[in-house]
Amino acid sequence: GAVVSQHPSWVICKSGTSVKIECRSLDFQATTMFWYRQFPKQSLMLMATSNEGSKATYEQGVEKDKFLINHASLTLSTLTVTSAHPEDSSFYICSARVMDRVSEQYFGPGTRLTVT
Amino acid sequence: QKEVEQNSGPLSVPEGAIASLNCTYSDRGSQSFFWYRQYSGKSPELIMSIYSNGDKEDGRFTAQLNKASQYVSLLIRDSQPSDSATYLCAVRNTGNQFYFGTGTSLTVIP
Repeated sequence: GAVVSQHPSWVICKSGTSVKIECRSLDFQATTMFWYRQFPKQSLMLMATSNEGSKATYEQGVEKDKFLINHASLTLSTLTVTSAHPEDSSFYICSARVMDRVSEQYFGPGTRLTVT
Repeated sequence: QKEVEQNSGPLSVPEGAIASLNCTYSDRGSQSFFWYRQYSGKSPELIMSIYSNGDKEDGRFTAQLNKASQYVSLLIRDSQPSDSATYLCAVRNTGNQFYFGTGTSLTVIP
């Protein structure tokens, strides 16, 4: 149980375009999902917390107009990187919190974004 | 001061030895503590969670929590080469926020 999927697993896009990444909880409902970014050899950096049916809460320094988050259902959250730049190239990982077990969160497999 | 601090390593142990990974945290009221394992190029996977003082054992893994010292550790007994990875300590603080340490890189030498 507690499986989280992400799609796509990797994507290459041109500078200035937008990319959407999906995060799905496959066998449980997740009222809260988290989006992280990880640069090579660095730790996870929390970008935003996504709550179903409400606006996402962004961490300090993360541009909400650039990283659009939508959590339309209890099993799906999306992150759209708008007007991507090469410095946005990173490993994006989502995690989902099990609804009745708020202390646990499970990670998706990650999406590697390369902006050329 | 960072919310969660770990020695980045790298830590090298011979196969069959005990690997000891340490983590300290700043929010004294934190109640939930987690260890994740992350292989290169992969996302983290949960290994252990611990909520009360003392030891919690699961197979070859033992998590130890000392809230008075704000210290949590992970012991890996009979280390195997497949245990080679980065181990992330995570803490859920009084604000219900998760914070991750920078991770400790472990290499188990055959």
